[in-house]
Parts: sequence; C-alpha cells; structure tokens
Amino acid sequence: DIQMTQSPSSLSASVGDRVTITCRASQSISSYLNWYQQKPGKAPKLLIYGASSLQSGVPSRFSGSGSGTDFTLTISSLQPEDFATYYCQQSYSNPQTFGQGTKVEVK
Amino acid sequence: QVQLVESGGGVVQPGRSLRLSCTASGFTFSSNGMHWVRQAPGKGLEWVALISYDGRSKFYADSVKGRFTISRDNSKNTVYLQMNSLRGEDTAVYYCAKSFCGRDCYLDYWGQGTLVTVSS
Repeated sequence: DIQMTQSPSSLSASVGDRVTITCRASQSISSYLNWYQQKPGKAPKLLIYGASSLQSGVPSRFSGSGSGTDFTLTISSLQPEDFATYYCQQSYSNPQTFGQGTKVEVK
Repeated sequence: QVQLVESGGGVVQPGRSLRLSCTASGFTFSSNGMHWVRQAPGKGLEWVALISYDGRSKFYADSVKGRFTISRDNSKNTVYLQMNSLRGEDTAVYYCAKSFCGRDCYLDYWGQGTLVTVSS
C-alpha cells in the first residue's frame, strides 16, 4: 500500500500569511494527488485534484504543485475561513490512502 | 444539486454487525463509483472502500478486508456498507463520497456522515 506523509502535522499562522503544506508518497503516484479541506464537524471538501487543478468554486489563493512523490499545497494569503485541517489523498492505486492531516491554527 | 445522505449508524456491541446506507441524488448514480471513508473521533481520514459504477469491482482497506462489504443498488441510487465482526477501532463517523474519474480520479462530493460507535 502507498503511504502518504504530510508535514507539518500542525502550524500556526496569521491572516495574510503564505502557508505551505507538503505531502510525500512512499512511491511514485504521478499526479494522482488530491487535497481536501475539513472544518470541525463538517465533511471534507475537495480543493485540488490532479496535483494542481483547482476545483470549481475554490478561491484562487489555493494552489497545488508536484509530481512523482513530492507535492505541495500553498495558500497564498491566509484568510479567516482557511483555518482548518488539510489532507492529501492518492488515487493512483487501490487501496487509496490519505495523509494524516495538517491542522492550520491561528497564531 | 448533488446530495449524499448516509444512514444506519448507531451503537453496536463488539462482534456484531451493522449496515450503512448512502442515498444519492442530483447526478447519474449508475455512472459513478462510490467510496466510503471514515474518521475516528479526533483522528484523520481513513479510506475504507470503493465500488465501481456497475458494482463489478470492489476495493478495500486492509483494516476492513474480510469484515466489510461494499455494494450498490443502482435502481435505488444507494450504496451500502455491510460491517461484520465490528471492533472498537471501527468507531468512527462514516462518510460516503462520490467518485469522479476523468483524467484524474477524486472524491468530489461527500455526505455529512453517520456515526458508528462500537461499545459494550
């Protein structure tokens, strides 16, 4: 099974900061990497698919990059509604797997 | 609009069984694969199972293989998760999610989840 490792597990940031979250796969997954945002008590929401494609309706301050084993989610200017937990997920092979999550907290 | 509504959660004793349902609307259900994903209290997301659009292909996480069975009834726009031999570590919110596969595959819509508590 492919293991997904996110870093950091948590971070503290302020409104307006640039935030970067990384995700590493235990083997190459090409660009089959998706990012989700989850707020407390809510279902996850798709942000980025195919490593770098922005899901419809998602603000352009979110971007994704990478291929192979190393991927990045960037929030260019953190907004109050962006404080949440972010997960990467590989859809390259079954069983599909998620990273352990990165919690973005208020500094 | 796409809606996914899970049901069937509750409190169940270890070793017993439970069946979850997820009823879909707002899209052509028979054209899309469907996932189950779970989240234990205070923990991260864990992918559980996937069923293809026609029900012919099924995939499972190692943690549930042999105990859980995913199935679907396209005439009822419903996907199921039959959970047998339940353990305490199966306690979680269970989400169903719609699969989209074009050039990429991803989970584009999620239900609100149903809580399963395994406890004596």
